[in-house]
Formats: sequence, C-alpha cells, structure tokens
Amino acid sequence: AQSVTQPDIHITVSEGASLELRCNYSYGATPYLFWYVQSPGQGLQLLLKYFSGDTLVQGIKGFEAEFKRSQSSFNLRKPSVHWSDAAEYFCAVGAHGTASKLTFGTGTRLQVTL
Amino acid sequence: DAGVIQSPRHEVTEMGQEVTLRCKPISGHNSLFWYRQTMMRGLELLIYFNNNVPIDDSGMPEDRFSAKMPNASFSTLKIQPSEPRDSAVYFCASSKDTEAFFGQGTRLTVV
Repeated sequence: AQSVTQPDIHITVSEGASLELRCNYSYGATPYLFWYVQSPGQGLQLLLKYFSGDTLVQGIKGFEAEFKRSQSSFNLRKPSVHWSDAAEYFCAVGAHGTASKLTFGTGTRLQVTL
Repeated sequence: DAGVIQSPRHEVTEMGQEVTLRCKPISGHNSLFWYRQTMMRGLELLIYFNNNVPIDDSGMPEDRFSAKMPNASFSTLKIQPSEPRDSAVYFCASSKDTEAFFGQGTRLTVV
C-alpha cells in the first residue's frame, strides 16, 4: 500500500531564510506526488505536483520540489520564506489510475518568525 | 467557478443525532472525494465517487457513516447516530483529471 512520511511535525524559520520540508513516499510504481498547503480554518490548496519528466517542479508562491527516486523523496523548498507562508504543509501521493485519489502525510506545521 | 462548496461550515450536534454534511463539486468534475481530518489520524479518505458512482468506500469507518451522490452537482455524507469521536473536519474535494480541489470543510463537533 502506498504511504507518505513527513518526518518533521513542526518547523520554525525566520522570515527571509530558506526552507526545506521533507517528504518520503512508499509506492510500487512511478508515483504521482503533490504538495498542498492549508492555512488555519481553510481547505487545502495545491502548491505543485509531479507526474513525470523534469524532476525539479516549480509551483505557486515561489515553491519548488525535487523528486529523487533513489531516495524516495519529494522535498519542498523555498529560497526565502515570507511571514504569510506560515501554514500546514501536506505531502501526498496519488493512487495508480486515479491520481487525484490521495494518501496524505501527517503534515508539517511551519512557523515563521519575524 | 465558486470552487467546491460545503455546508454547513460548522455543525454542533448532540450525541445520537443524525448529521448530514453537504457538498457541491466544481461543475464538470467527474470525481468526488470525502476526507476526514483529525489530530490523531490526520487526513484520511472516506469515500470516492466517479461519475456519481461510489468506487471505493473502504475508508468509511463504520455503518453509521453513509454517502450518496444523487447527481453530478451534489453529494452528502451522513452520520447516524453521531458519536463524540466523529468530531473532526470533513472535507469534500472534486477533480476532473489529476488535481483535486478542496472545499473549506465542515467542522463537526459532537457533544
């Protein structure tokens, strides 16, 4: 069965600092991978997705992620964090045949200090 | 498009009562998902519809939970009878290809 691990429950960074959120997946074939962001009291918004091709994926709000098959990882990065990036971030893997049927990781809560 | 619309946004009910959560997917989307979010279990898929037909309900926790999709523009998730451990945020999502769009969720509190 597919699964996603986000090893960091909570991360704090200073505004302007770089960010990397870790995600490891378990999947038997080429995975469909996603990063979603959830602001307090809101639904989930898609940041970016990877299906195939270039392993470095660009998303909205200046985020990017790199797919590394050898490490089963899909880490999310941002070069300079803004206070408005404070939120919870979820990595997810899509089911084979139904990419939008998602299995989520437990999430990483990002706090940004000024 | 207004996005995925869920109602109500908040629901407080007493244990044993019936609760119905509603979802209007984005027009033209043919897949609909119900998820539940709790602190203990995170985000978990309850049920998945494709073209109004339930495809996978393996995540529905027990018989107290039921979901319907009578047409392409409406779905319900019903809990009868409700229990305190059902307290959670319930999300509906829809998609037409590879991206799922989420509603803002219904926060259910069972007292």
